[in-house]
Amino acid sequence: AQSVSQHNHHVILSEAASLELGCNYSYGGTVNLFWYVQYPGQHLQLLLKYFSGDPLVKGIKGFEAEFIKSKFSFNLRKPSVQWSDTAEYFCAVNEDRGSTLGRLYFGRGTQLTVWP
Amino acid sequence: GAVVSQHPSRVICKSGTSVKIECRSLDFQATTMFWYRQFPKQSLMLMATSNEGSKATYEQGVEKDKFLINHASLTLSTLTVTSAHPEDSSFYICSASTTAGNIQETQYFGPGTRLLVL
Repeated sequence: AQSVSQHNHHVILSEAASLELGCNYSYGGTVNLFWYVQYPGQHLQLLLKYFSGDPLVKGIKGFEAEFIKSKFSFNLRKPSVQWSDTAEYFCAVNEDRGSTLGRLYFGRGTQLTVWP
Repeated sequence: GAVVSQHPSRVICKSGTSVKIECRSLDFQATTMFWYRQFPKQSLMLMATSNEGSKATYEQGVEKDKFLINHASLTLSTLTVTSAHPEDSSFYICSASTTAGNIQETQYFGPGTRLLVL
């Protein structure tokens, strides 16, 4: 079974600071990678996803993530955070099975708090 | 697009009763739906995967007779918590996905259902 590690459980930043949230996974095969965000009181929303191609993926709200296969990593970045980015961020991975959708494995999440 | 709804958003019930939670894909046909449970300050735990028209596949440790899943149509899946007990109190989340040809699609999540069993 796969496992997904998010190293930071709680990150506290001031507005305009740069953000990088770590995500590592354990699986030797081809994977699809996702970052989801859960704002307070809201449901999970997809921030960005990587299936193939350019390993630098741009998502919504100025977020991006880079897939580094050799490091089994998919870190999330944003150059300048805003107070409205305060939320829980989840990294998720599934096996690329072609036409069959594999189950998602989630990291335990990182709570980001941005102070105005 | 890709909106998933859940009903009810929260429910309080007495111990021993059964509760049904609905998950609907509003603007797409979901060939696969997933049911998760989320504990406070923790990640999502997959309970089961259901494909339209077939029996759900349960994760290890999840009682299939307690958590009944029905995926009768391409837009609706239901989770019934039978004979609920206080330890079943949790946040239940569904997600839905579809496949377009040979392309994997993304899971889109519902807003969740908060269950409190007294």
